[in-house]
Amino acid sequence: SAVISQKPSRDICQRGTSLTIQCQVDSQVTMMFWYRQQPGQSLTLIATANQGSEATYESGFVIDKFPISRPNLTFSTLTVSNMSPEDSSIYLCSGGQSSYEQYFGPGTRLTVT
Amino acid sequence: GNSVTQMEGPVTLSEEAFLTINCTYTATGYPSLFWYVQYPGEGLQLLLKATKADDKGSNKGFEATYRKETTSFHLEKGSVQVSDSAVYFCALIWNSGNTPLVFGKGTRLSVIA
Repeated sequence: SAVISQKPSRDICQRGTSLTIQCQVDSQVTMMFWYRQQPGQSLTLIATANQGSEATYESGFVIDKFPISRPNLTFSTLTVSNMSPEDSSIYLCSGGQSSYEQYFGPGTRLTVT
Repeated sequence: GNSVTQMEGPVTLSEEAFLTINCTYTATGYPSLFWYVQYPGEGLQLLLKATKADDKGSNKGFEATYRKETTSFHLEKGSVQVSDSAVYFCALIWNSGNTPLVFGKGTRLSVIA
């Protein structure tokens, strides 16, 4: 199994600013994914991040708004850029050797005012 | 496309009651199926999984059987506890390896003493 930590656990940000969320895995994983969970909703995939290549974004999400880095097999970051109140959500990262064994971080609870 | 449909919540049960949360899926081929649980203020934890037809996943008293003929993966527990109060997500992976999870909308369970 893998243990995933995220920083920050929560933040309150002003509109127009940016926040970078860090995701750290305690072992090397091939795949990392970033999800958004809006209040009371299910998880929506933002992008898939593989080490050494650009992230692959889902429909409705763009790199300029959600730039992602994956510098090595244990770490990734997601930046939420030029934030608006609609970006208020929980952001979760997950990782694993394959999709069959995905482990999730505790999430970052973001509030944009 | 691939999708997961869960019963609408919230579900409120008394302690020791029997639990069923319905989940059906639409997918090409034979996906792998999962149940994740999200306790208040936490990330997602894998509860159980099944990777082929007629497999039964089980953990912590919860069970779900992969039914290809009805494209279902219903979650059951014979006697719920207050500590089972959480949001439960049914999910699938369509392909092997490096594809992301597709989640249902989640079902909130509240167990009262």
